[in-house]
Amino acid sequence: GAVVSQHPSRVICKSGTSVKIECRSLDFQATTMFWYRQFPKQSLMLMATSNEGSKATYEQGVEKDKFLINHASLTLSTLTVTSAHPEDSSFYICSASQGTEAFFGQGTRLTVV
Amino acid sequence: DAKTTQPPSMDCAEGRAANLPCNHSTISGNEYVYWYRQIHSQGPQYIIHGLKNNETNEMASLIITEDRKSSTLILPHATLRDTAVYYCIAGSNNAGGTSYGKLTFGQGTILTVHP
Repeated sequence: GAVVSQHPSRVICKSGTSVKIECRSLDFQATTMFWYRQFPKQSLMLMATSNEGSKATYEQGVEKDKFLINHASLTLSTLTVTSAHPEDSSFYICSASQGTEAFFGQGTRLTVV
Repeated sequence: DAKTTQPPSMDCAEGRAANLPCNHSTISGNEYVYWYRQIHSQGPQYIIHGLKNNETNEMASLIITEDRKSSTLILPHATLRDTAVYYCIAGSNNAGGTSYGKLTFGQGTILTVHP
């Protein structure tokens, strides 16, 4: 299947700083990518839909000014957690679809201290 | 996306077939049934998907009932490495577009394969 790569896989940052997470489709182009968040012992929750060349679409309750999404090319979407706080600590996962299949990155474990 | 219902947990002996059920009684005609699994602290791994017909690949088989209201994922010879959370998702294309990535995850089934 297609490969989606996330970087970094793990990051620790200080409260108040910003963190950027990259999501790349390695062997295919993706006009749309998706960002999910997963808290411990919970399921994945969709945060936003990232559209190449246009604004992202955010799910209800997700602050667009806090979670900045940029999808500048057909193979790269970035999620920036701005002014991170401990409650933003979570597992962030991106996905991209090829045809009718969706493939996920390996996830990024964010810890805000 | 249609809501799916799965048992919270299941056990299976190593080497035996694991049959994971999923109910999706409100599934609409253009919604596919997707199966993913997630091993601890990793991103979900695609397993298989189907629309109406049964499907088989190198990982598993997917059996969809004729009325499409339920399906079963079959791992023919479960191994210890198949221990994971298995998610059944009914999903369609994104707002009429061509992207099938917007998936609504439920709580899934925790499959434990034991020796």
